[in-house]
Amino acid sequence: AQTVTQSQPEMSVQEAETVTLSCTYDTSENNYYLFWYKQPPSRQMILVIRQEAYKQQNATENRFSVNFQKAAKSFSLKISDSQLGDTAMYFCAFMKHAFGGGKLIFGQGTELSVKP
Amino acid sequence: KAGVTQTPRYLIKTRGQQVTLSCSPISGHRSVSWYQQTPGQGLQFLFEYFSETQRNKGNFPGRFSGRQFSNSRSEMNVSTLELGDSALYLCASMDRAGENEQFFGPGTRLTVL
Repeated sequence: AQTVTQSQPEMSVQEAETVTLSCTYDTSENNYYLFWYKQPPSRQMILVIRQEAYKQQNATENRFSVNFQKAAKSFSLKISDSQLGDTAMYFCAFMKHAFGGGKLIFGQGTELSVKP
Repeated sequence: KAGVTQTPRYLIKTRGQQVTLSCSPISGHRSVSWYQQTPGQGLQFLFEYFSETQRNKGNFPGRFSGRQFSNSRSEMNVSTLELGDSALYLCASMDRAGENEQFFGPGTRLTVL
């Protein structure tokens, strides 16, 4: 069975600074997807960034980037130039590749506060 | 395209009752997954339906069931409600079998008294 672990329950960062959220996972699969989702106080889950395990290049979406270490089963999220609107709960999630279906395994989440 | 919609948004029930939640996926999406979110257990996968068939199932008791209709709308039913069923129930839709991005609805907040 797959597991996802986020070891930082809470983090805070000053506006405009950079913060890194950690995530480790365990799986025997070779092909899979990893995601970071954001859940603001509205509770709407929003996809931040995704990484295909077969791609060695780290994914980047504007101010968000990941450091994917497949051998170490590590998948951290870096937020650059933090903004007040980044304040939210962040979840790391795992999904089997392609025809594994729509089953996401989530970590426990990291609550990020961006302070002015 | 309209996003994923869930009804009702809020629900209050008492122990022993049953409840049905509804989820309408993004037009054209055939996969609907359900998740339970609680402070103690976090986000847990309930089940997934694809083309009216249950494709994946999480580790929840048989009191939790679901179905999907030919228009891809899905319902989730919880019978004999317990206090511990109080949670935010999220549904997510996905395009087709080879896709991987799930789009989430706003959730249904269920409170069991």
